[in-house]
Amino acid sequence: GAGVSQTPSNKVTEKGKYVELRCDPISGHTALYWYRQSLGQGPEFLIYFQGTGAADDSGLPNDRFFAVRPEGSVSTLKIQRTERGDSAVYLCASSPQTGRGMNTEAFFGQGTRLTVV
Amino acid sequence: AQTVTQSQPEMSVQEAETVTLSCTYDTSESDYYLFWYKQPPSRQMILVIRQEAYKQQNATENRFSVNFQKAAKSFSLKISDSQLGDAAMYFCAYNTDKLIFGTGTRLQVFP
Repeated sequence: GAGVSQTPSNKVTEKGKYVELRCDPISGHTALYWYRQSLGQGPEFLIYFQGTGAADDSGLPNDRFFAVRPEGSVSTLKIQRTERGDSAVYLCASSPQTGRGMNTEAFFGQGTRLTVV
Repeated sequence: AQTVTQSQPEMSVQEAETVTLSCTYDTSESDYYLFWYKQPPSRQMILVIRQEAYKQQNATENRFSVNFQKAAKSFSLKISDSQLGDAAMYFCAYNTDKLIFGTGTRLQVFP
């Protein structure tokens, strides 16, 4: 596709369940980012990948959150034992490059709205 | 740690008028990039304009321009000739190896 694709668009899950959120970046983009956006807030950094490896996972809130990008393309954000406080929009973005002085645009998907009931 | 502050939760402007959205940031770096992103109800973040810190000239993209004051660590966005389609959340962002966003300003445009 032409842009960053995130599936599903919306996800409702019960407290304690496991969820997976998928991100298909723009083809050829080596950098991939996950952000979490709570209602009325700006996006909060979670993790970013350079290729297959997680270059910075300092934003993951706790060990219930995990993300993978096994082939350097599609990424999956996994949340175990979901809690009501995990409810938010999860945004994915990709970029042709990363590193200090990144001046290229990060292209965002439309996000997955996760609701934990 | 770098931080980005947007002190205006909401702003409003009449169609065809000009509005300025404020942003300040804190950093010890000397070279970096700053961005303004627009987020309509569709949730997709769209790049509006970017500024390289080592360039003194303010960036301009059609009706959008910035006032970049490096010493003051200020990066405001000016929207001229506002249009109804400009209504959205606007986020200021600072770049290190990842984007750090402010809390956003909701812009309303009245006919």
